[in-house]
Amino acid sequence: AQSVTQLGSHVSVSEGALVLLRCNYSSSVPPYLFWYVQYPNQGLQLLLKYTTGATLVKGINGFEAEFKKSETSFHLTKPSAHMSDAAEYFCAVSELSKLSFGAGTTVTVRA
Amino acid sequence: DAGVTQSPTHLIKTRGQQVTLRCSPKSGHDTVSWYQQALGQGPQFIFQYYEEEERQRGNFPDRFSGHQFPNYSSELNVNALLLGDSALYLCASSLGGGMNTEAFFGQGTRLTVV
Repeated sequence: AQSVTQLGSHVSVSEGALVLLRCNYSSSVPPYLFWYVQYPNQGLQLLLKYTTGATLVKGINGFEAEFKKSETSFHLTKPSAHMSDAAEYFCAVSELSKLSFGAGTTVTVRA
Repeated sequence: DAGVTQSPTHLIKTRGQQVTLRCSPKSGHDTVSWYQQALGQGPQFIFQYYEEEERQRGNFPDRFSGHQFPNYSSELNVNALLLGDSALYLCASSLGGGMNTEAFFGQGTRLTVV
């Protein structure tokens, strides 16, 4: 079965600083990978996805992620954090159209 | 486009009772998946419906059952509620259910079992 592991349950960054959220996957076949964001009391919103092709994927709100097969990683980055980025972030892998999620990383942004 | 809508938004039930949660998919979508998200955890896949049939199922007991109607809306039923069933239940819709198909999530139903 495919799975993802998110390293770090909580990340705190200063406004304007780099945001880096780590995700490693386990898959016996080429994976389809996703990053979702969840704001308090809301559902999940897709930030970006990797299927095939270009390994650097750009998403919404200035986020991007790089698929590295050799490291089995799909880390999420944003060059400059904004207060509105405070949320929970989930990495997920798709298997037979179902999503398997990591435990999530909570991002807090300090003014 | 209203997106994925779920009802009710909040629900309180007593242990041993039964509950039904409802989901209307995004317009044009034919596949509905249900997830359980316990506090502080990532969503866990319960099952997926396509063409009114359960297509995939996660590691959940038979107390969890579902249904999909001809208009693609779906229900999640949970019998003999346990305290551990308290969670946010998320519905996601997609088209065709392929592995790289984007899933759109509703706001969820917060179920509290007392």
